[in-house]
Amino acid sequence: GQNIDQPTEMTATEGAIVQINCTYQTSGFNGLFWYQQHAGEAPTFLSYNVLDGLEEKGRFSSFLSRSKGYSYLLLKELQMKDSASYLCAVLDSNYQLIWGAGTKLIIKP
Amino acid sequence: EADIYQTPRYLVIGTGKKITLECSQTMGHDKMYWYQQDPGMELHLIHYSYGVNSTEKGDLSSESTVSRIRTEHFPLTLESARPSHTSQYLCASSGSEYNEQFFGPGTRLTVL
Repeated sequence: GQNIDQPTEMTATEGAIVQINCTYQTSGFNGLFWYQQHAGEAPTFLSYNVLDGLEEKGRFSSFLSRSKGYSYLLLKELQMKDSASYLCAVLDSNYQLIWGAGTKLIIKP
Repeated sequence: EADIYQTPRYLVIGTGKKITLECSQTMGHDKMYWYQQDPGMELHLIHYSYGVNSTEKGDLSSESTVSRIRTEHFPLTLESARPSHTSQYLCASSGSEYNEQFFGPGTRLTVL
């Protein structure tokens, strides 16, 4: 079966750095997406990785290791508005997007 | 800026009613998707379309149907609503599988 694992919930302090991990087991791999979803709202796109390595975009970075079936999203200089769920999703060999359950990130002052 | 719209935003109806949730996008995207999401839970794909006159069922068994007569329009219909259909329904579109999906604001459905 296909499976994506993320921690259910994480807590971090404003101004700090947090790393949200995602491991996956899918039938094939055509890329990995990270989305942000605030409570009661729709998901919004953060990043896409298809090659190994780190992609940096402002305060957010995403890393991929295809051999390990592993990715992480790194958030720096945390702000209160970063409190949200972060969804990991993998594009499988049939080009279907497999979604993780998401990690709820709580930012404390 | 992504332009994808859903109506209504909120809907409360009685059991047995037929309803249609509307979704439209102005980006010319071929691929469109319907997801169901309960609060704090993962997204479940219920229908998708890769173009006009193309529709497929997703992973989650659903009693809904969809149509794709025009590129920009992808409505979802429930013939007979039940309390188990109470959920948030999200519509999305993308230019290709490798591109991000743009989501509409969602329709929060409550069936009494």
